[in-house]
Amino acid sequence: DAGITQSPRYKITETGRQVTLMCHQTWSHSYMFWYRQDLGHGLRLIYYSAAADITDKGEVPDGYVVSRSKTENFPLTLESATRSQTSVYFCASRWTSGAADTQYFGPGTRLTVL
Amino acid sequence: QQPVQSPQAVILREGEDAVINCSSSKALYSVHWYRQKHGEAPVFLMILLKGGEQKGHEKISASFNEKKQQSSLYLTASQLSYSGTYFCGTEAMDSSYKLIFGSGTRLLVRP
Repeated sequence: DAGITQSPRYKITETGRQVTLMCHQTWSHSYMFWYRQDLGHGLRLIYYSAAADITDKGEVPDGYVVSRSKTENFPLTLESATRSQTSVYFCASRWTSGAADTQYFGPGTRLTVL
Repeated sequence: QQPVQSPQAVILREGEDAVINCSSSKALYSVHWYRQKHGEAPVFLMILLKGGEQKGHEKISASFNEKKQQSSLYLTASQLSYSGTYFCGTEAMDSSYKLIFGSGTRLLVRP
């Protein structure tokens, strides 16, 4: 299917475990982003990527690792999950074209850390 | 620096108008507006670029005051389907396509 997908959609894990959230887009957009959204709050940028093998930190990068070996994939890894990382994680990709610039969000992954 | 949105919440009757504001302390290249319904992903509404402009999308329009680094979203003749949380995302001049979002404005439209 065309678009941006995330997997898994729901994940329950335990404190200290490593978790990887997957993001895949079919548009070949250069820019991709990871956000977290806590209950009742806005979206906070974790990491972003301008192209394959180019990544940079956002507002709240601590405890997370990203990689981007292929343009279409942008996985997010929680190296040692903590309860404070319980959140909804949204991946996004962006079509950068001036007035037609649009950032599309994936459906989200709801992560619970026990 | 997170943009500041106001008001935090609005309750409207169907057919009424609303204005949601977004202001930043940084020089902006663009402002993006999104609507998010409960349990769903944010959905893109429109983008406003540096240069100060106003755009329209059905009965939803927005303006960008470059001098004040402020944007406003105008919802006219609101419909039940307009209910949700509205977020502005701001892109600073030096931010290289990074969008930083405000904390959102919850809008409820009642019959």
